[in-house]
Parts: sequence; structure tokens; C-alpha cells
Amino acid sequence: DTAVSQTPKYLVTQMGNDKSIKCEQNLGHDTMYWYKQDSKKFLKIMFSYNNKELIINETVPNRFSPKSPDKAHLNLHINSLELGDSAVYFCASSQGVVSNQPQHFGDGTRLSIL
Amino acid sequence: GNSVTQMEGPVTLSEEAFLTINCTYTATGYPSLFWYVQYPGEGLQLLLKATKADDKGSNKGFEATYRKETTSFHLEKGSVQVSDSAVYFCALTRGSTLGRLYFGRGTQLTVWP
Repeated sequence: DTAVSQTPKYLVTQMGNDKSIKCEQNLGHDTMYWYKQDSKKFLKIMFSYNNKELIINETVPNRFSPKSPDKAHLNLHINSLELGDSAVYFCASSQGVVSNQPQHFGDGTRLSIL
Repeated sequence: GNSVTQMEGPVTLSEEAFLTINCTYTATGYPSLFWYVQYPGEGLQLLLKATKADDKGSNKGFEATYRKETTSFHLEKGSVQVSDSAVYFCALTRGSTLGRLYFGRGTQLTVWP
């Protein structure tokens, strides 16, 4: 009964490849997020969708493209992977964008670029 | 702008010691404040929250009080256990930021038996 699930958990690939990370939540939330955690554990938001509409798009290279086919899913596709993309990517969800609502996080996808 | 500053780690304590992890914030208006915990190999879990000044959030023996006058939200626990070893993140969000969480840099806590 995992609330926010991401696949895969680990992703090891070569520079220049294209890869996708999938996220699903079964909490009935209408807002989903992607965060990037760097090697020093710093977390920064990348994207957010509310009811399948993009509402936050931080300064992220165009090689990153999120897609939300429905409210329960938010996928992240990355083109032409670079060494600097190595990080842990977390998906999260919340009910609305009201500030007092906590976000629920998945276990992360550890992306390693060779 | 909005930002969170946490004390640098790592923090190493013996079991049953008192824990304080300092957190201060910069934000206009009235942000909501959170502490999240990340156990090894896992995602972040909400530990506690406070949504207005003087609120005290508490969970699993951890407490933090929202102090607007000092813009602080320090995390405390009276007696830590080995199982509390994790990375702790202070974070804020505001109604105008569309749910965007602003995180501190995290504090690694290690508790020895």
C-alpha cells in the first residue's frame, strides 16, 4: 500500500542516453512534484503539476521534460544525459498547493551517469 | 526571497542525550514550517509541522516551536535513540509559492549506543 512509488529505484546509464523515471501516487492528491537531491543532500524543486497542469518549472535544462497523464502519475523524461545529472530524484505529492498541507515523498530514484 | 538555514552537521550523540538542531528562516508573511526526516536509502517523511506563530509541532518525542520573533523553528528531543540516526531537513512553504518547499541543507544525526 505504498503511497508514492517511483520506478526504477536505481538507474545506471551512459552519458548521452535518454531515460525515464515514473511516479505514481495512490493518495488521491491533485498535486505532484519532482525534486533533485545532489551529492551533498541539498533538495531543490524542479517541477510541479496541479490537476495535470504544469505550475512550477524551475530553471531546469530543456533536456528534462515532465509529463502528467493523469492526476495520479507524474513521469520525468531526461534526454542526452550528462554527468551532472547524477543525483537522487524524488517524486512527491500533496493535496492542493495550500501551504499547510505536507508533501508525501517517494523513496527516490538514484541516477548514476557513467 | 524565501530560504532556510540549518546548523551544519554532522551531529554525533550518545543514546539518551539531548538533541537540538537549529533552523532559522527568511520569508515574508507567514510561512508554514516543517521538519522532514530521511532514513538511509529512503525518501523524506514528515516529522512535524507548524503553520502559525507560537504553534508547537510534535511527533515521536521530537518538538519544534514556530518563533516568529526570532524566525526560528529549532528541533529538539529530550532523549535520542540509535533509531533516530538520519538526516533531518527543515523546510518552509508559503501560500504564494504554489506548494514549493524550500529546504535547508539537512543535518546528519548519528546516535551511538
